[in-house]
This record gives sequence, C-alpha cells and structure tokens, in this order.
Amino acid sequence: QSVLTQPPSASGTPGQRVTISCSGSSSNIGSNYVYWYQQLPGTAPKLLIYRNNQRPSGVPDRFSGSKSGTSASLAISGLRSEDEADYYCAAWDDSLSGPGVFGGGTKLTVL
Amino acid sequence: EVQLVESGGGLVQPGGSLRLSCAASGFTFSSYWMHWVRQAPGKGLVWVSRINSDGSSTSYADSVKGRFTISRDNAKNTLYLQMNSLRAEDTAVYYCARGWPLPGYWGQGTLVTVSS
Repeated sequence: QSVLTQPPSASGTPGQRVTISCSGSSSNIGSNYVYWYQQLPGTAPKLLIYRNNQRPSGVPDRFSGSKSGTSASLAISGLRSEDEADYYCAAWDDSLSGPGVFGGGTKLTVL
Repeated sequence: EVQLVESGGGLVQPGGSLRLSCAASGFTFSSYWMHWVRQAPGKGLVWVSRINSDGSSTSYADSVKGRFTISRDNAKNTLYLQMNSLRAEDTAVYYCARGWPLPGYWGQGTLVTVSS
C-alpha cells in the first residue's frame, strides 16, 4: 500500500491530452513539493517534473504538473506513442514513517 | 556527463549481508544529497534511504531501519548501502540517485536477490 495514491492505469490516443492524479495528505503533498518520474520499459526512472510544476531541461513542454491542497496531477498533451510508460509521483513526508514517499505508479497506454 | 554506476548486487541467502556501491562522476559529488530507491520485480518504486552532502544526516524507510546503513566517501565519490539481515522481501533492483529533497538523476540500478 503506497502512501500516495495513483490510478493503476490510464490511456489515450495519439494527440490526446491525458491527466494522471496523485492523492496524498497534509504531511506530504499538502506541505511539500511534488515530483513526477517517467519509467520507460526496462529502464531507470527519469525526472519529469520537480517542485510541483518545474520541468528539467530536455523535458518537452507537453508535460506539465500542478498541485492543489493534498492532490497533484500530471498532464500530458499531444500524446505520442513514446509516452507509453509508467509514471510515478513522489513527495517528501514530514511524518516519522520515512521521509520519501512514492505513489504506486500509473501505467500509461497509448492506444 | 553525469554518471551514477551501481554495483555489488547479487544472490544472497536470507539473513545474509550485502554492500552496494554507487560510483559517481561528472559532477561535484560532495555537494549533493544522495538516495537509494528500490523496485521489486514488477512492482513500483520505494524510497529506501537518503544521506546529506557531508554524511552527517541520514534517514531510512521504516521497512529497512535498523538493518540498512547508508554512507558516503566524498573523497572517493562513492555512495554505499550496507544491507544486513536480508529478507526475501528485500529482493529488488536498487537505484542510487542524487538530488534534494528527492531524487533527480538516477543510476541504472543493481539487482539484489534474497533467496535460499
């Protein structure tokens, strides 16, 4: 059971816009930055979004992040076949159970 | 070019020990927090531990507290994870990553299998 809750799957057709949600609590998303990672099949995770809505250099502006209260979301516009991957949200947690927490991951399928 | 290369994974029996290493290059290692994150086969990412830039502060997930120890040697640009009292549920690919407060750049991972 992950501390952050994501839908297990999402899908869309090429060119479409899809969003992936991430729900947490006041001790993590509610009081800290949210990060998003993309993991292509068989590869290491890659940072997609940091500090809620910032993109590292090289990440296309088709990817955007937002946060409201204890929830966050990742939006992918102009969906492409190469976006098919697992996506994870993460946040720092101020509770005693362990500072770094991830969502369970969302498998995005491009139909 | 930033590089993080993990090593030390392998097959170990339950109750055994293993030490993972992560060799860093292409950046000023001593300036960065470092993390270990693991991923069991077919499962999601789980944060394991982190250490601050000079090694004076560490944190652990409850599941590994008291069994795993994170450390670093800034002179050798190397991060370590000492894993003791290993259990079957510790079987995973272990990634090292740099960043504050959460991982930014990740290595390619090393597989640890705990089985008799």
